[in-house]
Amino acid sequence: AQKITQTQPGMFVQEKEAVTLDCTYDTSDQSYGLFWYKQPSSGEMIFLIYQGSYDEQNATEGRYSLNFQKARKSANLVISASQLGDSAMYFCAMREILTQGGSEKLVFGKGTKLTVNP
Amino acid sequence: KAGVTQTPRYLIKTRGQQVTLSCSPISGHRSVSWYQQTPGQGLQFLFEYFSETQRNKGNFPGRFSGRQFSNSRSEMNVSTLELGDSALYLCASSPVAGGPKTEQFFGPGTRLTVL
Repeated sequence: AQKITQTQPGMFVQEKEAVTLDCTYDTSDQSYGLFWYKQPSSGEMIFLIYQGSYDEQNATEGRYSLNFQKARKSANLVISASQLGDSAMYFCAMREILTQGGSEKLVFGKGTKLTVNP
Repeated sequence: KAGVTQTPRYLIKTRGQQVTLSCSPISGHRSVSWYQQTPGQGLQFLFEYFSETQRNKGNFPGRFSGRQFSNSRSEMNVSTLELGDSALYLCASSPVAGGPKTEQFFGPGTRLTVL
């Protein structure tokens, strides 16, 4: 079974600075996918970025980038130029295949609460 | 394109009652998954439906059940509510379950409080 570990319960960053949120994973699969989601206080999970295990380059989406180190089994999220609106919970997740028929689920870490200070 | 919608957004029930939550996926999406989020256990997979069939279920008691209709809308039901069922219930839809980058699109959730 897949396992996601996020060791930072909370992080603080000054507005306009960059911040890295840590994520390590454990899997025996050769092919896998890693996701980062943002969850504001409203509750909705917002997809941020995806990294496939065979992707040669680190994923980037605007101010979000993923520092993927396969040998270390880490997939850290980097947010550049933090904004006040970035204050939220951030979850790292891994796709786990449940059956050959395509059923799957996301396995989530415990999350990191990011606070952006003005 | 409208996103995933969940109703109701907030719900207060008492122990022993039952509750039904509804989820309407993004138009064209056929896979619907449900997750429970609590402060103690985090986000846990409840079940996944595809083409009106439950394909998988997480480690939850039989009090938790669900179904999917022909239009892909899904409902989940919790019977004989317990205090520990208080949680945010999130629904997620996917266009096609399976594949290297199967992004799941989440709804805003239903916050259930059991008194």
